[in-house]
Amino acid sequence: AQSVTQLGSHVSVSEGALVLLRCNYSSSVPPYLFWYVQYPNQGLQLLLKYTSAATLVKGINGFEAEFKKSETSFHLTKPSAHMSDAAEYFCAVSGVDYKLSFGAGTTVTVRA
Amino acid sequence: IAGITQAPTSQILAAGRRMTLRCTQDMRHNAMYWYRQDLGLGLRLIHYSNTAGTTGKGEVPDGYSVSRANTDDFPLTLASAVPSQTSVYFCASRPGGGRLDTQYFGPGTRLTVL
Repeated sequence: AQSVTQLGSHVSVSEGALVLLRCNYSSSVPPYLFWYVQYPNQGLQLLLKYTSAATLVKGINGFEAEFKKSETSFHLTKPSAHMSDAAEYFCAVSGVDYKLSFGAGTTVTVRA
Repeated sequence: IAGITQAPTSQILAAGRRMTLRCTQDMRHNAMYWYRQDLGLGLRLIHYSNTAGTTGKGEVPDGYSVSRANTDDFPLTLASAVPSQTSVYFCASRPGGGRLDTQYFGPGTRLTVL
């Protein structure tokens, strides 16, 4: 079985500060991991995904995530937050049946 | 290219009524999914279809049914709505190539059952 846990349901950062969103996974097979972003009143869109080709994955809008097998983690970071980063972020893992299991989500608030 | 469209955008429904949420994709994706999103619970899979003509149950299927008569359409039906089905419903699709596939999401339907 596969699952992810997102630590922290809400993160508040100042504009220009580092954004760090934590995700830990559990998987019985080599994991394929995803980060999605949801802007208010919209559907989810893919930020980035881990495909095992490289442990550091770069995504859209300046986000990146690092896969650490020893820590079973796939944390999402952005060096400098922008007001437009205010959204909800979901970590997900793909199972052997190709279905995604999502974390509970982390809401990011950016302070001016 | 529209991607995934969902209808209606929002709906208020009396308990006990039947309701069908519509989902159409124009990407010729093989797999389609229905999720519900509830505060603090993330997205939970209701039903899925790996290809036209087949469907399967997800994590929270009770009270919902789906059909997949063709590649493009994947309607979700609530036979007799209950207040606990108040949620935001998202339809998604995936090309069907494997675990690395990206799932693409529709804009959602906000459903309130009174």
